[in-house]
Parts: sequence; structure tokens; C-alpha cells
Amino acid sequence: EAQVTQNPRYLITVTGKKLTVTCSQNMNHEYMSWYRQDPGLGLRQIYYSMNVEVTDKGDVPEGYKVSRKEKRNFPLILESPSPNQTSLYFCASKSQGMNTEAFFGQGTRLTVV
Amino acid sequence: AQSVTQLDSHVSVSEGTPVLLRCNYSSSYSPSLFWYVQHPNKGLQLLLKYTSAATLVKGINGFEAEFKKSETSFHLTKPSAHMSDAAEYFCVVSEAGYSTLTFGKGTMLLVSP
Repeated sequence: EAQVTQNPRYLITVTGKKLTVTCSQNMNHEYMSWYRQDPGLGLRQIYYSMNVEVTDKGDVPEGYKVSRKEKRNFPLILESPSPNQTSLYFCASKSQGMNTEAFFGQGTRLTVV
Repeated sequence: AQSVTQLDSHVSVSEGTPVLLRCNYSSSYSPSLFWYVQHPNKGLQLLLKYTSAATLVKGINGFEAEFKKSETSFHLTKPSAHMSDAAEYFCVVSEAGYSTLTFGKGTMLLVSP
């Protein structure tokens, strides 16, 4: 089954404690991205990757890091989480081109206290 | 640069009545346009997409949308709402030459019995 898998689904952590949210896709998609969803703001892109070893900033990259060492994986790293990073996070993947739709993971609800 | 405006943050309808969710876009080139739905505590699911073929696009669950270039609109409609349609809906644009997606802020559809 084609899918994007994020882990964990729920995470509560303390300010400053490094964490990683994993994202894996099994569709051999070149393009992967991370979004955060906040009430009234829709989905905002954090980082995206056009292919292995190619990443770029989205609209809200501050406080986040990513890496793309393998085509299927695109982890999101918070080196020093802060309460304003409390949010719902989605990973997505798609094949290249403007006409292709994105497939989304189930989301990770992160709370930083 | 591309952008999307969803004109209503909330829309309330009664079961069995028509649904209209409005979306306007801005794009420098011929865009691809998508509607996604997000049910509570779920990921995002593609409803339908426009990719410069027919201007009237049919999607899943009885939804359809019409691309109107002169009005830069891509409104989502359904003839008769069902309780299971209650969810948040996102209009999304992808521009020629890019793989990135730009989301609207979302419209919450409320369906009453």
C-alpha cells in the first residue's frame, strides 16, 4: 500500500531537548516536504527536498533542520525545541512536476512545555 | 509567486443542502489546483485536482470544482451535503516549473442535521 509514515504520532517534550520526527515513503517519490499546521494559519511549509541531498527552506524554517540521505526518508530535527514549536506537523511526498498530487502522513502532534 | 485565498473560514449547511467552498488563486503561470480534505485527527486526503484538461473537475464523494481563469477561482461544490462531509477543506496551488504546494488557510465545513 502506498503510504507516508510519520513517527511518533504524539510527542510531549521539554524546552531544549533535541528531538527527531521521522518520515518515510514507499512510493519512490523525489519530492518530500514538512509542514506545520496551526489554527487559522493553514499549512505552512518548513523545509522541502527535491531529491537526495537536495534540501531547501520553506516559509517557516527557523528552529528546524532536515536531512535527505536516502530517497525514502526525510526526518525533521528540532535541535532545541521551544513552546512556539508546539503544533501539528505533516510530512508529504510527491513525484516531480506541478500536476502530481501530494500524499500526506497522518501527522505528529508535538507539545513543547 | 503563487498564493491562495479561501474566502470563508467557516461554512455551515444543513444536511441535504448544497455546499459551496470558495477559493481564489494568484499565479504567474498556468497553475495546477487541488482540493484536500482533512477529517478530525486525520491526515489530508486529495478530493480532486485541476491540471489544464477539463475546467470542470469531478472528485470523490460527489464533490466537483470549476476552474475559471477569468475570475482566478476554483470553487468547490457538492449538490447535497452529508453529515460525513463535516471536515476542514484546503485549496492548494502548484505553479508551472515548481513542485512546491501553497495552501490556503482552510475552510471548516459544519453540517447540521
